[in-house]
Amino acid sequence: AQKITQTQPGMFVQEKEAVTLDCTYDTSDPSYGLFWYKQPSSGEMIFLIYQGSYDQQNATEGRYSLNFQKARKSANLVISASQLGDSAMYFCAMLGQAGTALIFGKGTTLSVSS
Amino acid sequence: SQTIHQWPATLVQPVGSPLSLECTVEGTSNPNLYWYRQAAGRGLQLLFYSVGIGQISSEVPQNLSASRPQDRQFILSSKKLLLSDSGFYLCAWSVIRGGTGTDTQYFGPGTRLTVL
Repeated sequence: AQKITQTQPGMFVQEKEAVTLDCTYDTSDPSYGLFWYKQPSSGEMIFLIYQGSYDQQNATEGRYSLNFQKARKSANLVISASQLGDSAMYFCAMLGQAGTALIFGKGTTLSVSS
Repeated sequence: SQTIHQWPATLVQPVGSPLSLECTVEGTSNPNLYWYRQAAGRGLQLLFYSVGIGQISSEVPQNLSASRPQDRQFILSSKKLLLSDSGFYLCAWSVIRGGTGTDTQYFGPGTRLTVL
């Protein structure tokens, strides 16, 4: 069975600092995708970044980067230069070979202070 | 660019009443469409997905049903709501780009449903 584990219920960081949100996954599919979403208090689920299982390089999207370690089955999100607007819940998710349901972790609440 | 709409944004309904939530997508053709539910403080659970008009797959047996009467319209319904149906309902769309595990799903703003 596929599973996403996010072990950090809450993280605190100051503005302009970098922060890493942890995510480990479990799957037997040879091909899969890993995603990070941001959910602010408004509730909308905002797509941040994607990493394919066969991608050789770590994905980057602006201030977001994904530290993909396939052997360790980890896909940590790194946010550089945190901003107050980054305060939100962050979900790691996986899409398996069947390609329908995103499997979500329980999320990590990030709080950025000035 | 593509946009996804959901309405209503919030809904308070009595137990036993019917439900209809609507989702529409603009700017794309033949998208895959999804209904997810998020319980308070939890991740999302897929309820239904659709790869085309009239084609609905159910992931979790429950009190809800879905329909896709048009290419870019997805409707979530119930004949009689239960207390356990309360939650945040999110619609999403994706377009197959080829290759498994690669289809990014983009979510709408959601509907917050409270059943009393």
